Amino acid sequence: DAGITQSPRYKITETGRQVTLMCHQTWSHSYMFWYRQDLGHGLRLIYYSAAADITDKGEVPDGYVVSRSKTENFPLTLESATRSQTSVYFCASRGQGLGFYEQYFGPGTRLTVT
Amino acid sequence: KNEVEQSPQNLTAQEGEFITINCSYSVGISALHWLQQHPGGGIVSLFMLSSGKKKHGRLIATINIQEKHSSLHITASHPRDSAVYICAVREGGATNKLIFGTGTLLAVQP
Repeated sequence: DAGITQSPRYKITETGRQVTLMCHQTWSHSYMFWYRQDLGHGLRLIYYSAAADITDKGEVPDGYVVSRSKTENFPLTLESATRSQTSVYFCASRGQGLGFYEQYFGPGTRLTVT
Repeated sequence: KNEVEQSPQNLTAQEGEFITINCSYSVGISALHWLQQHPGGGIVSLFMLSSGKKKHGRLIATINIQEKHSSLHITASHPRDSAVYICAVREGGATNKLIFGTGTLLAVQP
């Protein structure tokens, strides 16, 4: 399907486990972003990527790892999940250059760490 | 203090009412975005603006760069407008990252 997809949509895991959230987009957008959404906070940027093999930290990167070996995929890994990482995670993408500033969001992954 | 402040945080309206949601920001920006998030989570972009006013159907967005303020108006509100409305400002520079407000939860009652 065209667009931006995330998997899984819901995940429950235990403290200390490694979890990987997947994000896939079919537009060949250069930029991809991972956000978390928590009550009382706006969407906060975890990591972003300007292109394959180029990633950089956002506002709240601690405890997360990203990679981008292919333009269309941008997985987010929680190396050792903690309860504070219980959140809704959104992936987004956008094109590069003038006029390509609108970000397109995936449907979100609701992660619960017990 | 958050760099992007929205008001009100919660808003309940009767169907047909005119609704205004406000957004103030404290940083220099290249543009401002309004987004809508429906129950169930999906986030869609409504407007992107850097000056003046934009209109799409019953939605109107305005921005005053000098006052660092934007408003989102909904005319003739309908229960299907019930959602969280999010203001986000776009920083300048190469990455054009977004800074988000905490959102306004709107409930329109029939």
